[in-house]
Amino acid sequence: GIQVEQSPPDLILQEGANSTLRCNFSDSVNNLQWFHQNPWGQLINLFYIPSGTKQNGRLSATTVATERYSLLYISSSQTTDSGVYFCAGSGSRLTFGEGTQLTVNP
Amino acid sequence: DVKVTQSSRYLVKRTGEKVFLECVQDMDHENMFWYRQDPGLGLRLIYFSYDVKMKEKGDIPEGYSVSREKKERFSLILESASTNQTSMYLCASSLLRTSGADEQFFGPGTRLTVL
Repeated sequence: GIQVEQSPPDLILQEGANSTLRCNFSDSVNNLQWFHQNPWGQLINLFYIPSGTKQNGRLSATTVATERYSLLYISSSQTTDSGVYFCAGSGSRLTFGEGTQLTVNP
Repeated sequence: DVKVTQSSRYLVKRTGEKVFLECVQDMDHENMFWYRQDPGLGLRLIYFSYDVKMKEKGDIPEGYSVSREKKERFSLILESASTNQTSMYLCASSLLRTSGADEQFFGPGTRLTVL
């Protein structure tokens, strides 16, 4: 199956800083999603982005399918952005990376 | 907006009990999934279903069964709960019966503790 690697595993920021999270996948995918897991455990959909670039407020994502990676950008981070960010890609099944634990300090 | 609901947020059961976890989606999605999430092991697929009364094994089906009698409802059953099934269980659904390509939406999760 597909392998999904995320980096960095941990990230600590001051409020207002920008950050980039990376997701590498081992083979072609026909689905690539970014999620934020809130403190209660729910996975919140951020982007469905098999290719190209999308933006939603302070968040944006880019997937370069030919080079097998995706990037999640968080600008002007807020304390409410804290949590774990997962990317997941699929051929036949959705495979999750290990996540990036983001902490935004006031 | 897609809404996926799960019957309980927290559940405590005893070893050997039969446990039912229920998941309901309200957007007429064809596909439904059950995952478990454990520290250090990430999210792993237990079972999925692409149609009523259909089911497919995921990566870790041992010790679990599922039921899909209606399109909107997908149940995960632990026939005889064991302590190693203590975990966070997440249900998801997606619209189309295409092989893994469609966007998945998740419920709030059920934290199951088996004593």
